[in-house]
Amino acid sequence: NAGVTQTPKFQVLKTGQSMTLQCAQDMNHEYMSWYRQDPGMGLRLIHYSVGAGITDQGEVPNGYNVSRSTTEDFPLRLLSAAPSQTSVYFCASSYSPTSGSTYNEQFFGPGTRLTVL
Amino acid sequence: QQQVKQSPQSLIVQKGGISIINCAYENTAFDYFPWYQQFPGKGPALLIAIRPDVSEKKEGRFTISFNKSAKQFSLHIMDSQPGDSATYFCAASTGAGLISSGSARQLTFGSGTQLTVLP
Repeated sequence: NAGVTQTPKFQVLKTGQSMTLQCAQDMNHEYMSWYRQDPGMGLRLIHYSVGAGITDQGEVPNGYNVSRSTTEDFPLRLLSAAPSQTSVYFCASSYSPTSGSTYNEQFFGPGTRLTVL
Repeated sequence: QQQVKQSPQSLIVQKGGISIINCAYENTAFDYFPWYQQFPGKGPALLIAIRPDVSEKKEGRFTISFNKSAKQFSLHIMDSQPGDSATYFCAASTGAGLISSGSARQLTFGSGTQLTVLP
């Protein structure tokens, strides 16, 4: 299993440009999410999905769109990039715990470092 | 509003020493408290987690201590090693880690602690 994969690893955009950050997982996890990581602020949830066709907003959704057409893929779209969106973006996935399990673990991808000029 | 406050921001420990990272939370609905470890250039990975029905959980050199009345929990790394040098994040969620609904799986993270263990 490749786990959670993200592309690209690095990206530089100009203000106003749009782009899509790709995320895929091969673990058949139904829950997927996007976080951004900024210095001194930890990881903040942008959007999440509990299954194909179902998405919802997290803590910081403005300026981002998501869709979930398949279980495997969960792309994050920046509609009109702004310098405030300069960050490291992480995609994560998790499964429903089976009976007797005590927690569900979120598996993170390697991240995409985005710079908006 | 930061619901999970983490301290210190950075920590330097000698090899063999004890590393202690503290977190405090505000939302009394939180009932699942994981710690994630992140190495440079990598995504975070689950290290250890606790639910509030116990006051302590130990896995190898890593221990979580939990104080429900004070709404605080901490990570202790015994016999710290240079390989432990990483950023550590505490987190919290509702649903005890068992509920499949999206809102219950949302993790609220602390701001992170950069740990350096000197050889």
